[in-house]
Amino acid sequence: TAGITQAPTSQILAAGRSMTLRCTQDMRHNAMYWYRQDLGLGLRLIHYSNTAGTTGKGEVPDGYSVSRANTDDFPLTLASAVPSQTSVYFCASSVGTSGGYNEQFFGPGTRLTVL
Amino acid sequence: AQSVTQLDSQVPVFEEAPVELRCNYSSSVSVYLFWYVQYPNQGLQLLLKYLSGSTLVKGINGFEAEFNKSQTSFHLRKPSVHISDTAEYFCAVSGRTGTASKLTFGTGTRLQVTL
Repeated sequence: TAGITQAPTSQILAAGRSMTLRCTQDMRHNAMYWYRQDLGLGLRLIHYSNTAGTTGKGEVPDGYSVSRANTDDFPLTLASAVPSQTSVYFCASSVGTSGGYNEQFFGPGTRLTVL
Repeated sequence: AQSVTQLDSQVPVFEEAPVELRCNYSSSVSVYLFWYVQYPNQGLQLLLKYLSGSTLVKGINGFEAEFNKSQTSFHLRKPSVHISDTAEYFCAVSGRTGTASKLTFGTGTRLQVTL
């Protein structure tokens, strides 16, 4: 079982350009999440989706957008990248969100550098 | 709102020595507590979690953690570490309902095991 796949593995992007980070899960999980990981800051939630067709803002949503057209895919788009968006991005999923007790499963991450 | 404090950013330890990674949390609601591990160049995976019941929780790879409500702590321990335990460890908390049911991560503790 693949679990969660993310693409690309890494990317160098010029400031001002747009980019979509892809995330696909094959576990039929209802909930999906996007985090960014920065040294000394841990993981911070960007956006989440409790179920297909719904999305919500996390702790650091500015400059990012998401969509959830189906259960499996949860792409993250940077409309106009800035250097402060240089980070490692992780996609995660969980069976559900009710009560907050569900384990989250993480993808391998995308390392993004914005110059 | 909830928050997590990991008191040590780095913990060096010799192989076969015991280790404790400290985690304190704050929350205005009842919580669930988690420890995740991140091996180099990988995503996070769950080590253990406290949902309710016994305050001593056992996880994978010989790790355990104890929930102490009065001290709002959830320290991670292992009686004898191995080189392969070298990784970044994240404590996380989620509230039990509503918007608080999203995971909030600490900033991480890097465990470095040497011979």
